[in-house]
Amino acid sequence: EDQVTQSPEALRLQEGESSSLNCSYTVSGLRGLFWYRQDPGKGPEFLFTLYSAGEEKEKERLKATLTKKESFLHITAPKPEDSATYLCAVQAISGNTPLVFGKGTRLSVIA
Amino acid sequence: DVKVTQSSRYLVKRTGEKVFLECVQDMDHENMFWYRQDPGLGLRLIYFSYDVKMKEKGDIPEGYSVSREKKERFSLILESASTNQTSMYLCASSTGQPGNTIYFGEGSWLTVV
Repeated sequence: EDQVTQSPEALRLQEGESSSLNCSYTVSGLRGLFWYRQDPGKGPEFLFTLYSAGEEKEKERLKATLTKKESFLHITAPKPEDSATYLCAVQAISGNTPLVFGKGTRLSVIA
Repeated sequence: DVKVTQSSRYLVKRTGEKVFLECVQDMDHENMFWYRQDPGLGLRLIYFSYDVKMKEKGDIPEGYSVSREKKERFSLILESASTNQTSMYLCASSTGQPGNTIYFGEGSWLTVV
């Protein structure tokens, strides 16, 4: 069974304090790994897709990396507006299967 | 920009009522999905559809049904609402190409009293 585990569940950072969120996955062949940001009371907003180990993608203060077992979302010099829940999801390579989501990491950035 | 629109943001319904949650996407996507999201449980897939008039059960289909009569519209139906169906419901869509991004709507908050 495909599984996604995100850690930590919650993370509190001071503004400017860089850190990383972890997404560990077990999947029978990876087609893609997806990162989303979700603000309270809103739907998830797409950030990145990673397809193969070694791949990296960046957007502003966020950088996502991928290995064969996990992905990291690195946040450099975060600002309070980066506070949100970050969700990781995987899609297996077998057919057009739905995404399997982790439970998310709730990030709070304090000014 | 992809737009997934959920018709109701906030609903309050009584136990036993039939509830319809509507979702429309404007990008001619083949795939559409309904999830529910609860604290501590994350996103759980209820039903999905790969084409008009097609539907597949997700992880938690009990107590729900769906309808997809047109490509752009995917409806979630609670035949007889119960208090344990109080939740945030999220609709999503994607192209039929595996690996393509899934886009979400803003969510519908349903409270069953």
